[in-house]
Amino acid sequence: QVQLVESGGGVVQPGRSLRLSCTASGFTFSTYGMHWVRQAPGKGLEWVAVIWYDGFNKYYTDSVKGRVTISRDNSKNTLYLQMNSLRVEDTAVYYCARESGGGSSFIDYWGQGTLVTVSS
Amino acid sequence: SYELTQPPSVSVSPGQTARITCSGDALPKKYAHWYQQKSGQAPVLVIYEDNKRPSGIPERFSGSSSGTMATLTISGAQVEDEADYYCFSTDRSANHRLFGGGTKLTVL
Repeated sequence: QVQLVESGGGVVQPGRSLRLSCTASGFTFSTYGMHWVRQAPGKGLEWVAVIWYDGFNKYYTDSVKGRVTISRDNSKNTLYLQMNSLRVEDTAVYYCARESGGGSSFIDYWGQGTLVTVSS
Repeated sequence: SYELTQPPSVSVSPGQTARITCSGDALPKKYAHWYQQKSGQAPVLVIYEDNKRPSGIPERFSGSSSGTMATLTISGAQVEDEADYYCFSTDRSANHRLFGGGTKLTVL
């Protein structure tokens, strides 16, 4: 069965960096696009970034562009999110999610999320 | 920037039909997908590509889309359907994704 397990969350000071990881299993990771989605406490879902199956194309929401990098290592079945210059408003649960195959652009599986708290 | 607009809340009695709307200028050419999120849990896909239901999702969940509005319908809503619901789609470039602001469904 498809499993996505995030790690790397924690408490970090404003301006510092953090790298999140998502380990995938139960499917052929190298053939699926992958997303990061976040949810601030008490707020709605916010799409953060997507990376194509081969890592060739990456797209970001405007609020993180230039500070965040999505990447993947298909040999390790792992997705990453490198977050730099963190702000208080980046505090959220970060979900790793799989994009469905076959040309569709919806998310079909989600991890359980990892909490990032940006605070001094 | 492109936005998807949902009503903040919808309230129905058990057994009634709940309708949650999502409006966006690109929806005439882009699919809407719908997620249910219960408190403290990860989202669950309930409708994809406007009107398709994933396996395991009850038949009372259905979707439709017309013009700039997509609609999630829960026919005969049950107490266990209380949750936040989000629409999800892409902008015209199909590269950027976005969620609607979410709708809190109350069934009581």
